[in-house]
Amino acid sequence: DQQVKQNSPSLSVQEGRISILNCDYTNSMFDYFLWYKKYPAEGPTFLISISSIKDKNEDGRFTVFLNKSAKHLSLHIVPSQPGDSAVYFCAAYGTSYGKLTFGQGTILTVHP
Amino acid sequence: DAGITQSPRYKITETGRQVTLMCHQTWSHSYMFWYRQDLGHGLRLIYYSAAADITDKGEVPDGYVVSRSKTENFPLTLESATRSQTSVYFCASSLSGVETQYFGPGTRLLVL
Repeated sequence: DQQVKQNSPSLSVQEGRISILNCDYTNSMFDYFLWYKKYPAEGPTFLISISSIKDKNEDGRFTVFLNKSAKHLSLHIVPSQPGDSAVYFCAAYGTSYGKLTFGQGTILTVHP
Repeated sequence: DAGITQSPRYKITETGRQVTLMCHQTWSHSYMFWYRQDLGHGLRLIYYSAAADITDKGEVPDGYVVSRSKTENFPLTLESATRSQTSVYFCASSLSGVETQYFGPGTRLLVL
């Protein structure tokens, strides 16, 4: 049972435009959400997070939006840069659940 | 070097062989984790450890054994490797829980 889903395996965007990566979850006990970024042959690195008490968190070019009623979060990258090309994983955590659950990942390609 | 390291980075083995993947961190983080990454599944938790001598199963523990005699080391052993265990394995650590984890570079394992 996939509790965290990233339904788009890949996304292609032009440099300078906005990239929007989506993530859906099913477990209402999740109360903390994270995005990780992964380059080839490297481990994932933490990018940005959001608590369930917020609906938006911004860090430079990266903004995460949380819609609790829809059980949906998204990562916006503005403007997109070629160096943003990577695999992006959505992850969710619940205090009572105790473990991070990851989505399948979305491959983002930003074309110059 | 400081950080989290994994060895070997690449490993080819045969079905039925025992294989041990090593993970070492220099931050004195309490928590350590083992994940496997497979296409279409994202990152799935195999085992985790909250402290030395404390380990617990994750989502896909079958066929794997872990130990944690020292805080800085968390080896993962495949007792009798199977082809379905061909994957990329990531070790991670965190200071106090699962919120922000720091990942190693990964071990690519091929079981023939």
